[in-house]
Amino acid sequence: KAGVTQTPRYLIKTRGQQVTLSCSPISGHRSVSWYQQTPGQGLQFLFEYFSETQRNKGNFPGRFSGRQFSNSRSEMNVSTLELGDSALYLCASSLSAGNTGELFFGEGSRLTVL
Amino acid sequence: AQRVTQPEKLLSVFKGAPVELKCNYSYSGSPELFWYVQYSRQRLQLLLRHISRESIKGFTADLNKGETSFHLKKPFAQEEDSAMYYCALTWGTSYGKLTFGQGTILTVHP
Repeated sequence: KAGVTQTPRYLIKTRGQQVTLSCSPISGHRSVSWYQQTPGQGLQFLFEYFSETQRNKGNFPGRFSGRQFSNSRSEMNVSTLELGDSALYLCASSLSAGNTGELFFGEGSRLTVL
Repeated sequence: AQRVTQPEKLLSVFKGAPVELKCNYSYSGSPELFWYVQYSRQRLQLLLRHISRESIKGFTADLNKGETSFHLKKPFAQEEDSAMYYCALTWGTSYGKLTFGQGTILTVHP
């Protein structure tokens, strides 16, 4: 069974631009979560989606948004990029929103903002 | 607000020695606690969860609600245990929303 797939793996943007990251969960998984990982703040929760509905949102500005499609694939978007948005963005999937808690993580999309 | 604290950023032990990675949390309700691990060049993955009360790769963790701790222990460390370990907390039924600690890098020397 293929794992969680994130694209692109690496990208470089400049301040003010926007970026869209994609996540394909493990087949059959309906819940997708996004995390931002930085050396200073560690792993921070961004959003959680289940059946195309956002169930939870972390403490990030409105520039960060996401969505989930009917096939459970998810995208996140960051608009008006700032230098501080440089980070590894991790996607994780799980069977459902009420499972026993195991998240399956992707390898991440590393965003560099210049 | 919920918080997870891992006081040790780095932990070094020799092979065969006991190891304990500390995790303290703050949450007013009934949390669910997890340990996730990231080995070199691998994805972040679940090691164990407190509700399972299981031992994985020789590791155990006991939830101490009085001390609000969830320390990870292994009696005899192996070199292959070298990795980054994250303690994480969630609550309710939305397990996709985890609050992570800052992580502890464990190095097991031969």
